[in-house]
Amino acid sequence: LAKTTQPISMDSYEGQEVNITCSHNNIATNDYITWYQQFPSQGPRFIIQGYKTKVTNEVASLFIPADRKSSTLSLPRVSLSDTAVYYCLVGDIMGYGGSQGNLIFGKGTKLSVKP
Amino acid sequence: EAGVVQSPRYKIIEKKQPVAFWCNPISGHNTLYWYLQNLGQGPELLIRYENEEAVDDSQLPKDRFSAERLKGVDSTLKIQPAELGDSAVYLCASSLERDTDTQYFGPGTRLTVL
Repeated sequence: LAKTTQPISMDSYEGQEVNITCSHNNIATNDYITWYQQFPSQGPRFIIQGYKTKVTNEVASLFIPADRKSSTLSLPRVSLSDTAVYYCLVGDIMGYGGSQGNLIFGKGTKLSVKP
Repeated sequence: EAGVVQSPRYKIIEKKQPVAFWCNPISGHNTLYWYLQNLGQGPELLIRYENEEAVDDSQLPKDRFSAERLKGVDSTLKIQPAELGDSAVYLCASSLERDTDTQYFGPGTRLTVL
């Protein structure tokens, strides 16, 4: 499974756009990129997933360049409630490559949003 | 729709004592996961079930940890005997069969071993 690297922490202010970049140089052909969010005392929550180009949902956007060696999670106009840890995961989640499709969480990026 | 339910939310025990955690997944979810999360770290997979079958338990310390999912619905994770280093949050998650991209997590059980 591809290893991911993301910043340990980031600070932002309310109303700003936040971009968290994740590096995954060894991403494999069958790997998808998934982002989870975790608040204190809660389990992680799925945010968004993509394979290439751009994916957008009601919460965030995910930008993936053509070489797929990195990805950027974009949170538009953050609020205080977006303060959380954000995890980038890369893996063959569908098991098409013969792997078991397990997810490996790194340490994540701790985002702090200030008023 | 109810989410993943875990109990207890908190547990404090002395070392060498046994402890058990219970998880009830989202209705219809055939895949169930147990994770361990240490402070400041991401969750680490302990075991994954497809219905009643444990399909990946390679990270489960089998000398003291055991898990079961007898009827393919709820599951129990047990530690016997507990050690100081087992203090952590134990998370349960579930997903639809072969839809392993979206895992739904419970709130976790925070275990403190004294």
